[in-house]
Amino acid sequence: KNEVEQSPQNLTAQEGEFITINCSYSVGISALHWLQQHPGGGIVSLFMLSSGKKKHGRLIATINIQEKHSSLHITASHPRDSAVYICAVSLGNQFYFGTGTSLTVIP
Amino acid sequence: EPEVTQTPSHQVTQMGQEVILRCVPISNHLYFYWYRQILGQKVEFLVSFYNNEISEKSEIFDDQFSVERPDGSNFTLKIRSTKLEDSAMYFCASSGETSGRAFFGQGTRLTVV
Repeated sequence: KNEVEQSPQNLTAQEGEFITINCSYSVGISALHWLQQHPGGGIVSLFMLSSGKKKHGRLIATINIQEKHSSLHITASHPRDSAVYICAVSLGNQFYFGTGTSLTVIP
Repeated sequence: EPEVTQTPSHQVTQMGQEVILRCVPISNHLYFYWYRQILGQKVEFLVSFYNNEISEKSEIFDDQFSVERPDGSNFTLKIRSTKLEDSAMYFCASSGETSGRAFFGQGTRLTVV
């Protein structure tokens, strides 16, 4: 079983701040996914990565396979970024989820 | 962007009844998933489905649960003899490749009373 740990659990930031959310996992994976869950409950896939780094707009995701660690960065944070960010890892078609990081960005 | 659609958005059922949750995955996707999220808890994997059969399932997915792709477009989750603890948000997802980026539906909130 793959244990997925996220930190911090809760994060409050001022608008414009640079934000980092961390994820670590315990065993080998096929891929790591960063998801965003909105207050209404809907889930959006932000990134799927198995190595290196990906960027989409103000979001950057990195992964270090050797250290079994990934980070999600948000540059120039905005109140609309307020959501729960979930790290999930997959091995084949089996998925394991972290408990999520609740982000609140204050104007 | 293509969407995964789930129906109904909210279902209330009596304990002991059977429910079927429906999902229409993205049309050219091959891998399908069900997850659940009990209120206030983390998302949990239930099952993955590929090539008309279950490819992985978690310990949660016991004989009470079954999945089916009855007509090549819908992907259903059936829960038999529902219990109060089955109350949760159930998410369907699909992807085009194994461990690929998953697209999620908006979820079905199941309330067992």
